[in-house]
Formats: sequence, C-alpha cells, structure tokens
Amino acid sequence: KAGVTQTPRYLIKTRGQQVTLSCSPISGHRSVSWYQQTPGQGLQFLFEYFSETQRNKGNFPGRFSGRQFSNSRSEMNVSTLELGDSALYLCASSPNLAGREAFFGQGTRLTVV
Amino acid sequence: SQQGEEDPQALSIQEGENATMNCSYKTSINNLQWYRQNSGRGLVHLILIRSNEREKHSGRLRVTLDTSKKSSSLLITASRAADTASYFCATALTGANSKLTFGKGITLSVRP
Repeated sequence: KAGVTQTPRYLIKTRGQQVTLSCSPISGHRSVSWYQQTPGQGLQFLFEYFSETQRNKGNFPGRFSGRQFSNSRSEMNVSTLELGDSALYLCASSPNLAGREAFFGQGTRLTVV
Repeated sequence: SQQGEEDPQALSIQEGENATMNCSYKTSINNLQWYRQNSGRGLVHLILIRSNEREKHSGRLRVTLDTSKKSSSLLITASRAADTASYFCATALTGANSKLTFGKGITLSVRP
C-alpha cells in the first residue's frame, strides 16, 4: 500500500504570494489532517477533513484554508504569505476520524522570502 | 497551549542504555500516542495506549499511562544509534471529532 504522498517536497515563495500544497492519503483513508511544524511552536494543528467536510480547525488565521476532494485527496492553501509561514507542513491520514493512529507524509518544506 | 508536554526536552545516552521519556497532559483523553521523527521528515507512529490501559509493549518499546497523574512514559530498552530522533507524545481527547494534539518533542541522541 502506498503511503501518504505530499507534493511538492520543497517550495520557495515570496512574501505576499499564495501557495497550494497537496496531500494524497493512504488508499481507503477518509480523514486527512494538516499540521504546521516550526522549531519554536512545534506541531500545530491546522485542520482536519473527513469525507470532504472540515471537522476540526486549529487557531490559524483565515489565510490558511483547505479542502478535500471526493477521492480523499486534500489541498491546503495559504494566501498572502508572511515570513512566519515558513515551516514544514505535514499531512496525516487516518482510516476514520482523527484521534486514531495517524500516518504522516514526508512533508512540504515551505520557505517564504 | 500544547496539551502534551514532554520531559526532558533533550536526552543523550550511550548505545545499549535505556531511554525514558515522559509526557504530561492537562485534560481527560481518549488515547495517547507516541511518534518518532527523524530529522526534517514525517512522523512515524510508534504506539497507542487507550485511557483504560495502563501499560503496553511493542518490541523494545514500553509505554505506561497513569490517568490519575495525567502522565505517560515511553521506555526504549537497549537503545541503538538508529533510535536517534525526536519523539512526540500526542493526545486524542474524548469525543467523536477529536484531533491529535502534539507536544513539542524530545530530542534523543544515542551515542555509538
């Protein structure tokens, strides 16, 4: 079974631009969660999608948004990028709702310059 | 604030020694999980312990959970250099729509 795939792996963007990150969960998994990881804040929960519906949301500004498609693939979008958005963005999938064992992708390293 | 707080923040041991890492949390949980992360990569699930369990084993890993003290410990026995990584505890609260909340992690260095 293929694991969780995140694309792209690395990204450099300029402040003010927007970015879209993609996550393909393990086949059959319906829950996809997104996390932001920075050295100072650790792993911060962004949001969780289950069957195309956002089920949970973390404390991030509205510039951070996401969606899930009918095939469970998910995208997250960050608009009007700020330097502080530089981070490793991790996607995790679970068979059912979050709170169970999560399978993580390798992450997308976003650098905002 | 983080639900889980790991202790210590960093740990350095000799190969063959045991490593003990602790995690404390604040509210009632459905389960607690431990993950490992090698530098700059994704997290790997190690073990899940439910709130009604007290101890669980998986290979060289032993996890305990004390819900009265709201704490958990992860013991890695006979450590190897390959165990060098960051370790995170994550808690899932009660409720159907619970999400995983991670601590800031423990950096474990195993010296050959």
